[in-house]
Amino acid sequence: ETGVTQTPRHLVMGMTNKKSLKCEQHLGHNAMYWYKQSAKKPLELMFVYNFKEQTENNSVPSRFSPECPNSSHLFLHLHTLQPEDSALYLCASSQDAAGGSNNEQFFGPGTRLTVL
Amino acid sequence: AQSVTQPDIHITVSEGASLELRCNYSYGATPYLFWYVQSPGQGLQLLLKYFSGDTLVQGIKGFEAEFKRSQSSFNLRKPSVHWSDAAEYFCAVGKGGGADGLTFGKGTHLIIQP
Repeated sequence: ETGVTQTPRHLVMGMTNKKSLKCEQHLGHNAMYWYKQSAKKPLELMFVYNFKEQTENNSVPSRFSPECPNSSHLFLHLHTLQPEDSALYLCASSQDAAGGSNNEQFFGPGTRLTVL
Repeated sequence: AQSVTQPDIHITVSEGASLELRCNYSYGATPYLFWYVQSPGQGLQLLLKYFSGDTLVQGIKGFEAEFKRSQSSFNLRKPSVHWSDAAEYFCAVGKGGGADGLTFGKGTHLIIQP
């Protein structure tokens, strides 16, 4: 595998289900991100992890719970979601916290989530 | 807080014609600017970026963009589009001070006419 991978690519879940999205980066990066892409809305930053520590939570509801066990893996745990949470969830990674050119982000293909 | 405006939701261009996609940003300091492209069912691919230096930056697939501080703009251009350029294009701004999330515009959907 190369780049940033996300699994599953598609997920359908009921509002009472618990599921998890997985992201893995094979680029040796130290920062990882979750974004939400809804129809007719700009991509919204959800969470930032840098060297496994959460550095930003963009006022995301607690029904979304991120986990970053190491610099290569990022999870988004989902529980009691609402239909309006249906969206494409994109994961990205970048080199590290140094800024500048290290801020270039590489994106995965996304997980298309549908909440019924 | 920073913001990005892409005023054109849809743009239709004939194959072989030139293209310009507009992007305006709002940020108090020197911004880090990006253009990404997204094909259907795919993630985002970086076309080009501006951090500092020459205000005209070259990217992949024949794209270029010019940073104009006085106009707070970072417009994307291509002299001759190909049918394969049909996609969604996103302009984004970052603070550049570390592992910062990016702020994206709403995107411009590019349609290529044969």
